Amino acid sequence: GAGVSQTPSNKVTEKGKYVELRCDPISGHTALYWYRQSLGQGPEFLIYFQGTGAADDSGLPNDRFFAVRPEGSVSTLKIQRTERGDSAVYLCASSANGNTEAFFGQGTRLTVV
Amino acid sequence: AQRVTQPEKLLSVFKGAPVELKCNYSYSGSPELFWYVQYSRQRLQLLLRHISRESIKGFTADLNKGETSFHLKKPFAQEEDSAMYYCALSNRDDKIIFGKGTRLHILP
Repeated sequence: GAGVSQTPSNKVTEKGKYVELRCDPISGHTALYWYRQSLGQGPEFLIYFQGTGAADDSGLPNDRFFAVRPEGSVSTLKIQRTERGDSAVYLCASSANGNTEAFFGQGTRLTVV
Repeated sequence: AQRVTQPEKLLSVFKGAPVELKCNYSYSGSPELFWYVQYSRQRLQLLLRHISRESIKGFTADLNKGETSFHLKKPFAQEEDSAMYYCALSNRDDKIIFGKGTRLHILP
């Protein structure tokens, strides 16, 4: 595709439910990032993949959050037992390697009610 | 610890006036510094990076290692510059850390 694609663009879920957010990076990009952005804040780092492996997952807030990238391309961010505080825009970005320009998706707006 | 500080949440500047968006960072090594911009209803995108030493849309930023700063400057503001600006830091092959952002509002 032409850019980083995230689906769904909006997700409303009930407290306690499980959600999956998908990111399709630019073809050939080895690095993939997940960020969370709350209103009025900058993107908050969650996890960074190089290829299939998580190079740095220090930003995941707790064990309810998990992300995978099994074939080194598409990534899924998984949130278990969602809480209202998880409501935010979740951003995905990819880059050709870890220190070149990161291209962002349009984000998934998650609302937990 | 890596940290990026943008002290101003909002900066209002008259059209034609100079712009300076402040960014300070803390990092023990030699980071790479970026400015990203988000225009209304658009996705976050790279504006410039310090190693390129480019001027993009009239904006420049100089890395000052002594002051650990990477301020973004433009001599004459234009209305289309109104946007959210994020300063960011990265080490080679590492995560990118963003500041909280500054909203630039260009007054007519």
